Amino acid sequence: AQSVAQPEDQVNVAEGNPLTVKCTYSVSGNPYLFWYVQYPNRGLQFLLKYITGDNLVKGSYGFEAEFNKSQTSFHLKKPSALVSDSALYFCAVRAPMDSSYKLIFGSGTRLLVRP
Amino acid sequence: NAGVTQTPKFRVLKTGQSMTLLCAQDMNHEYMYWYRQDPGMGLRLIHYSVGEGTTAKGEVPDGYNVSRLKKQNFLLGLESAAPSQTSVYFCASRAGTEAFFGQGTRLTVV
Repeated sequence: AQSVAQPEDQVNVAEGNPLTVKCTYSVSGNPYLFWYVQYPNRGLQFLLKYITGDNLVKGSYGFEAEFNKSQTSFHLKKPSALVSDSALYFCAVRAPMDSSYKLIFGSGTRLLVRP
Repeated sequence: NAGVTQTPKFRVLKTGQSMTLLCAQDMNHEYMYWYRQDPGMGLRLIHYSVGEGTTAKGEVPDGYNVSRLKKQNFLLGLESAAPSQTSVYFCASRAGTEAFFGQGTRLTVV
């Protein structure tokens, strides 16, 4: 069965410092991996995805993520955090052979960037 | 271009009442999804549709029904609401590898 784990409920970081939000996955075959962000009282916004190719993918708002097949991880990173990055972040996976193309989400990690 | 629009944005129901949530997308997407979001549990798939006239069960379908009579609309129905259905509901549609989400409907069942 497919699953996604986000081991941290909350990540705290000071503005200007690098941030990492962790994600590990379990899926048969080569996964399609995604990161979404949710601001208060808003829907989910797409940040970035990994389908194939370079293990380091760059996305919106200066975020990037590194796909590590041996560790089955897809951690979200940003070199210098902004207070405006404070939000709820979701990692998601899709199995390549799933004809429904549905996304399986992690439980979410709240990022708090303090000034 | 409106994208994915959900109606209503907020609703309070009494236990046993029924209601329908509407999701409309103007991107001509084939695939549409209904998720519910609960604290600490992420988003869980309720039902989905791979095209007009088709529906299928997701991870947590009990207590919900759906219909996809028109390609652009995906309706989620609660026939007899229960407090356990208090949640935030998100609709999504898919193009290629990317899913587009609506703003959500916050439903409270008292």
